[in-house]
Amino acid sequence: KNEVEQSPQNLTAQEGEFITINCSYSVGISALHWLQQHPGGGIVSLFMLSSGKKKHGRLIATINIQEKHSSLHITASHPRDSAVYICAVRNQGAQKLVFGQGTRLTINP
Amino acid sequence: DTGVSQDPRHKITKRGQNVTFRCDPISEHNRLYWYRQTLGQGPEFLTYFQNEAQLEKSRLLSDRFSAERPKGSFSTLEIQRTEQGDSAMYLCASSLHGGGSSYNEQFFGPGTRLTVL
Repeated sequence: KNEVEQSPQNLTAQEGEFITINCSYSVGISALHWLQQHPGGGIVSLFMLSSGKKKHGRLIATINIQEKHSSLHITASHPRDSAVYICAVRNQGAQKLVFGQGTRLTINP
Repeated sequence: DTGVSQDPRHKITKRGQNVTFRCDPISEHNRLYWYRQTLGQGPEFLTYFQNEAQLEKSRLLSDRFSAERPKGSFSTLEIQRTEQGDSAMYLCASSLHGGGSSYNEQFFGPGTRLTVL
């Protein structure tokens, strides 16, 4: 079973700050997802990656397969970035996702 | 809207009643997943289908839970004799298995929030 740990659990920052959310997992994977969940429950997929780095707008996701670690960065954070960010992994040979507990991000104006 | 849809969005029921939720995946997606999320936690896997075949079930899916995808399109999740511990957000996701740049990326619906009184 893969254990997925996120840190921090809660993060409050001021608008404009650079944000980093970390995710560690215990067993080799075939893919890692970063997801965003707003109040009300809907989940949006931000990134799916298996190696290296991806960038979309102000969001950057990196993964280090050897260290079993991924980071999600937000540059020039904005109050609309306030949400829960969830890391999820797909184990090798499996289809289901195993989720972290989420990081609640609050960006104050 | 061509995304994943779920119905109802909210359901309040009394303990002991049966409830059924529906998920309509993205039309060309052959895989459909059900997850459950309790307050303050990340989602947990319940089951998934490829077309109409149910390929994996979690131990979380007790005998009071049943899921179907009869024609390989929409899916239903039924909970019989609901208990207060069943209160959660039930999330559905779909994906396309078989190649392309979105291989196995899961797209989530808005969820059905169940409250058992």
